[in-house]
This record gives sequence, C-alpha cells and structure tokens, in this order.
Amino acid sequence: DAGITQSPRHKVTETGTPVTLRCHQTENHRYMYWYRQDPGHGLRLIHYSYGVKDTDKGEVSDGYSVSRSKTEDFLLTLESATSSQTSVYFCAISPSTDTQYFGPGTRLTVL
Amino acid sequence: GENVEQHPSTLSVQEGDSAVIKCTYSDSASNYFPWYKQELGKRPQLIIDIRSNVGEKKDQRIAVTLNKTAKHFSLHITETQPEDSAVYFCAASKDMRFGAGTRLTVKP
Repeated sequence: DAGITQSPRHKVTETGTPVTLRCHQTENHRYMYWYRQDPGHGLRLIHYSYGVKDTDKGEVSDGYSVSRSKTEDFLLTLESATSSQTSVYFCAISPSTDTQYFGPGTRLTVL
Repeated sequence: GENVEQHPSTLSVQEGDSAVIKCTYSDSASNYFPWYKQELGKRPQLIIDIRSNVGEKKDQRIAVTLNKTAKHFSLHITETQPEDSAVYFCAASKDMRFGAGTRLTVKP
C-alpha cells in the first residue's frame, strides 16, 4: 500500500459537534482527495486538493471544509456533524490526475 | 457533470466461469477509466485501468475494454476464483465519478 494513513480510524460523535479527520501521506504526491462511501452510492468525492492551499469542491461538498497547509497533510472538517454524515471516509492520493491510491478509511458515526 | 452507471449491482458465478461488469459514462471529456476492487472492510485497490487512446488492456485473468463512441467500458474476469469475490467499482476521470459498485460472488 502507498504511504498513506488516516486518523482516527473510528470515531463516534454527537450531532452538532465539530469533527476533523486527518489524511497523511509520505509519497509527496501533489493531489489528495476526500471521499465518502455509503451503501448503494459507491465513492463520492467531497473535496480535493491539487497543491498546498489549493483546494476545490467535489460532488458532495455541503457541510464539509478542507485544508492543506503542508504537502503531506489533508484535513477534512465537519463543522457541525449531522446524522447524514455517518459514513466511511476515504482519503486518496495521486501523483497526477488519474491513478489514485486509497487510505485505510475512517468509520464515522454521528449519533 | 459526469455520470457513471454500473451494471449489474450483484453478480454470482461458479468458480472457473467468466464475469463481466459494464459501466457507461456521459462526459466525453473523461479520458481515464480505472477499476477498483474492494474486499470487505478494506480500502479500494486499483486492479486495472485504461486510457481513452487504447481500446483494450489485459493483465493475466483480467481485462478492460473501452468503446469511446458508445461511452462504455467493461471489466472481464476469466477463470474466476473464490478470492475474486469482492465489490468492484468503475470510475471515469471527469469529476472523478465512481459507479455504485458490483458485488461479485464466486461460488466454489
């Protein structure tokens, strides 16, 4: 597996609380992505980054924000978590705009 | 934006048979089409990909074909084995859209 880690791996939180998920890579890849995975929907892109401090929205960005202050770290923040954000979140990295390598995932439960 | 449809959603085959999964896409700007395999509780892993300047690509028992005119591409797995059982996802590069997945079960 590519040098990509996610933390935490599991989290249970309550509605209305802020949550930050971290993606860390050791591959020095330019592109980083956040996806959510829900049954029947495959993987849906939330936000992506094409460089330090360069980010853009994906298909399902509402309720999420991201930041990338260093090449190796890409943070996903849920400002006020809702039950509809219960999901498995995957980070992915890529040296270009095609082949992506996924992290191990974070299972988030919002009660 | 891009829209990717994947069929079938579930597929069950006998060991040794072939399996075919099909995807269609809508945006002709897509030029890269990967396939990922995801085992239960694991991360998606790239198994094969194809670019729009190629019609077919093979890697041992798996192959992918692309028809740009019809905007569809397919994954072919021959001589299936129980360890091929997993969920398979296709994707198209424009907007990085994924299909909803196909759960493949290979019966011994």
